[in-house]
Amino acid sequence: EDKVVQSPLSLVVHEGDTVTLNCSYEVTNFRSLLWYKQEKKAPTFLFMLTSSGIEKKSGRLSSILDKKELFSILNITATQTGDSAIYLCAVDGSSNTGKLIFGQGTTLQVKP
Amino acid sequence: GAVVSQHPSWVICKSGTSVKIECRSLDFQATTMFWYRQFPKQSLMLMATSNEGSKATYEQGVEKDKFLINHASLTLSTLTVTSAHPEDSSFYICSADRVGIQYFGAGTRLSVL
Repeated sequence: EDKVVQSPLSLVVHEGDTVTLNCSYEVTNFRSLLWYKQEKKAPTFLFMLTSSGIEKKSGRLSSILDKKELFSILNITATQTGDSAIYLCAVDGSSNTGKLIFGQGTTLQVKP
Repeated sequence: GAVVSQHPSWVICKSGTSVKIECRSLDFQATTMFWYRQFPKQSLMLMATSNEGSKATYEQGVEKDKFLINHASLTLSTLTVTSAHPEDSSFYICSADRVGIQYFGAGTRLSVL
């Protein structure tokens, strides 16, 4: 059965800290891995990763994929209170249906 | 770009009535849209895949007669919760696929009294 597992499930840090969120997966037909940020409403897209070893970066956020070891990490440097959210990892292992398998999410709380 | 609008954002209805939720891709065409349900403190649970011009594909355990999906155009999919009951109260979220990335609507909170 295809699955996506995120760790840790929750994390509390202080402003300025650096955090690393983990996502491991087991799918039959890997196509891509996506990271989303969910605050009060629906998820907003952060990154899409398809190739191993190529870092994607956007401001203080970065992510990388390891297709050999079947995991991805999301790094947030110099965290701010506005980074507090649920971070969702999802894998498209769908053979062209586009269906995503979501992990449980990591709840990040950044304290002032 | 890649904006998805979902309406209404919040709806309260009486038990036994039907509720329609709309999902629109505003600046792109989406052959495929998805409908999810999310319970408090849980991740997204896929309900169905909505394909323009054809029948939706429902996930196991989702009643197709209860959750009617229509994807009549490349920019609009609708989810109708028929004969809603209190156990249908939840947060419903749609997404639209654009070149392999799903972009999400803001969600609809349904409360059934």
